[in-house]
Amino acid sequence: DQQVKQNSPSLSVQEGRISILNCDYTNSMFDYFLWYKKYPAEGPTFLISISSIKDKNEDGRFTVFLNKSAKHLSLHIVPSQPGDSAVYFCAASSNSGTYKYIFGTGTRLKVLA
Amino acid sequence: NAGVTQTPKFQVLKTGQSMTLQCAQDMNHNSMYWYRQDPGMGLRLIYYSASEGTTDKGEVPNGYNVSRLNKREFSLRLESAAPSQTSVYFCASKRGSRGEGEQYFGPGTRLTVT
Repeated sequence: DQQVKQNSPSLSVQEGRISILNCDYTNSMFDYFLWYKKYPAEGPTFLISISSIKDKNEDGRFTVFLNKSAKHLSLHIVPSQPGDSAVYFCAASSNSGTYKYIFGTGTRLKVLA
Repeated sequence: NAGVTQTPKFQVLKTGQSMTLQCAQDMNHNSMYWYRQDPGMGLRLIYYSASEGTTDKGEVPNGYNVSRLNKREFSLRLESAAPSQTSVYFCASKRGSRGEGEQYFGPGTRLTVT
């Protein structure tokens, strides 16, 4: 049972436009969410996070939105740049749980120059 | 500051062979993790260690053992490798033992079992 789902395996966006990556979760106990970026042959690197007490967190070109009622979060990248081309993973955890992070299957973003 | 290091980078094993994947972090983090990444499956947690001296099973622990040797090092052992264990293995660490905070990942070990 996939508790964290990224239903779009891939996404292509023109340089300068907005990229929107989506993530859905099923476990209502999740209260902390993260996005990671992964380049080929490298480990994932942390991008941005959000706690369930917020509905938005912004860091430069990256904004994460959390809709708790819909159990949905999204990552917005504005403007998109060719260097943003990578695989993006969302992850979720529960503060009352066992400190484990559950990852989605990833979305491959391609930013076209 | 090297962050999280993993050895080896690549390994080919025959079915039934054993090996240990090494991981070390120099950030004085409390928690350490082992994941595997397979195509279309994302990152799945094999084992984790919330603090020195403790280890717990993750989502896919069968066929693996771990040792938290000290605060810096967390090793993953395959006692009898199987083709189903062909994967890319990532080690990660996190400052806290619970709750929020990002994980820092190593560069990965690509393992092929024939």
